[in-house]
Amino acid sequence: EAQVTQNPRYLITVTGKKLTVTCSQNMNHEYMSWYRQDPGLGLRQIYYSMNVEVTDKGDVPEGYKVSRKEKRNFPLILESPSPNQTSLYFCASMPRVVDSPLHFGNGTRLTVT
Amino acid sequence: DAKTTQPTSMDCAEGRAANLPCNHSTISGNEYVYWYRQIHSQGPQYIIHGLKNNETNEMASLIITEDRKSSTLILPHATLRDTAVYYCIATPRSSGTYKYIFGTGTRLKVLA
Repeated sequence: EAQVTQNPRYLITVTGKKLTVTCSQNMNHEYMSWYRQDPGLGLRQIYYSMNVEVTDKGDVPEGYKVSRKEKRNFPLILESPSPNQTSLYFCASMPRVVDSPLHFGNGTRLTVT
Repeated sequence: DAKTTQPTSMDCAEGRAANLPCNHSTISGNEYVYWYRQIHSQGPQYIIHGLKNNETNEMASLIITEDRKSSTLILPHATLRDTAVYYCIATPRSSGTYKYIFGTGTRLKVLA
């Protein structure tokens, strides 16, 4: 089944403890992206990647890192999480074809205490 | 990327057509209009998209005005399962820009 898989679905951690949220897609998509969703603010883009080894900042990149060493994986790294990064995170992918839509994962709910 | 404006919320009676408007008055010629919806806190789901012409698929219809400054998503026979937040996005693809700006969407509530 074609899908975008995020892990974990739920994560509770403490301030300053490094964590990684994984994202993997099995559709051979070139483009991948991370979003965070907060009440009243909608979905905001954190980082995106047009292809392997190519990443760019979205609208809210501060406090996050990403890497794209393989086409299928796009992990989101929080080197030193803070409470204001408590949020619902979504990974998405799509092919680099002019009118193809985004495919989203099921989300990761992160709580930083 | 063109900014889109949507009403915050709407109600619709079950079985009736739900018409969700979106304003994208600054849209440029190479920007597509996409619609997604998000049920509860699940990942957003693609519904439909268009450039100039009206489009229809098994889920919905998309009506884009001739000047392309606004569009309407139509769910022809809304059901309770269509209760969700609906996002309208205008984004260029041919230029190589891939910034999808989602905004806060329209919360549609389908009433029994």
